[in-house]
Amino acid sequence: GAGVSQSPRYKVAKRGQDVALRCDPISGHVSLFWYQQALGQGPEFLTYFQNEAQLDKSGLPSDRFFAERPEGSVSTLKIQRTQQEDSAVYLCASSQGLAGEWTGELFFGEGSRLTVL
Amino acid sequence: GNSVTQMEGPVTLSEEAFLTINCTYTATGYPSLFWYVQYPGEGLQLLLKATKADDKGSNKGFEATYRKETTSFHLEKGSVQVSDSAVYFCALPNTGNQFYFGTGTSLTVIP
Repeated sequence: GAGVSQSPRYKVAKRGQDVALRCDPISGHVSLFWYQQALGQGPEFLTYFQNEAQLDKSGLPSDRFFAERPEGSVSTLKIQRTQQEDSAVYLCASSQGLAGEWTGELFFGEGSRLTVL
Repeated sequence: GNSVTQMEGPVTLSEEAFLTINCTYTATGYPSLFWYVQYPGEGLQLLLKATKADDKGSNKGFEATYRKETTSFHLEKGSVQVSDSAVYFCALPNTGNQFYFGTGTSLTVIP
């Protein structure tokens, strides 16, 4: 497709389960971002990839969160031993430009809504 | 780091009313400023941007002017439509690779 695709759209997990969220960015986009959006809040930065390199993971809230982009296209955000506070919408965005060249725009997927019971 | 403070919502307006959503920023230097919009059931998308001071961004009848004197980037539209009902986010680049979003303002336009 032409846009950023995320799956699953909805995920319900029991506390303690591991989850994996997938992002398929726009073809050819170098930059890929993951954001976490709590209910009623703005998106908060989690991590940034430039091609396959994870250049910034300063926003990951704990070592239970792990992201990868092994071939520089599809990315997976993994959350181990999920907790209730992990419940949020996880947004993926891609950009043709490099982070730091902020005249460009981010293209967002529709998000994956995670609910941890 | 850089940040924005955005007018809290929710905002409810009648169709054809004038809209202002306030946004003020704190930044080192003069970064580009953005408004993103999230329509129901859709992902965030860029609405407009301004890349330097005194620039005016515009799109779909919305406008915002980058004002360094007041450190503001208020979003305005002269006549809102039902289809403008959405959540609006003010945003700017933060340190490093991060992009900082405001908390969002929900707009509902009633016929």
